[in-house]
Amino acid sequence: QSVLTQPPAVSAAPGQKVTISCSGSSSNIGNNYVSWYQQLPGTAPKLLIYDNDKRPSGIPDRFSGSKSGTSATLGITGLQTGDEAEYYCGTWDNSLSAGVFGGGTKLTVL
Amino acid sequence: QVHLQESGPGLVKPSQTLSLTCSVSGGSISSVDYYWSWIRQSPEKGLEWIGYIYYTGSTRYSPSLKSRVSISVDTSKKQFSLILSSVTYADTAVYYCARMYHLDSRGYVDYWGQGTLVTVSS
Repeated sequence: QSVLTQPPAVSAAPGQKVTISCSGSSSNIGNNYVSWYQQLPGTAPKLLIYDNDKRPSGIPDRFSGSKSGTSATLGITGLQTGDEAEYYCGTWDNSLSAGVFGGGTKLTVL
Repeated sequence: QVHLQESGPGLVKPSQTLSLTCSVSGGSISSVDYYWSWIRQSPEKGLEWIGYIYYTGSTRYSPSLKSRVSISVDTSKKQFSLILSSVTYADTAVYYCARMYHLDSRGYVDYWGQGTLVTVSS
């Protein structure tokens, strides 16, 4: 049971937009910045979004992040088949004094 | 560009000790506000943060693993290591070493190793 809650799966057609939610509490998302990771099959996770809404160099602006209260959202526009992957949210939990992740959301581009 | 590479046995017997080492290249292991981390992934538990160490030797561990975990660093070799004692089948996972930025309320993992599968089996 992950500390952060994500939907198990989302899907959308190529070219469309999709959002993935990440729900937490005041001990984690509510008082800390959120990051998002993309994990392609058979590879390590890759940083997609940090500090709620910032993109590392090389990440296209089709990927965006936002946070409100104790929830965060990852948005992907102009979906491509290459975006099919597992997506994870992460943050710090002040009560646990530990890093925490969501359970992951599998994106299918139909 | 920081590169991390895990090394260690891929098979550990139940009740024994898991030991992994991560070699860091392409960057300084003494970078300010960056912590050298271990994260594991299994189908049952997903991504699980194990703990991290600062180049000074300061550590933090997951509460659920704290009694069995130890992370150490050797700055001269640009390596850090994970020891997990008394392993059970539930410790079977892909183990990643990673670099984590952490300052106040800001934290994220910006570099990951390729991961190494550790299987606990007799």
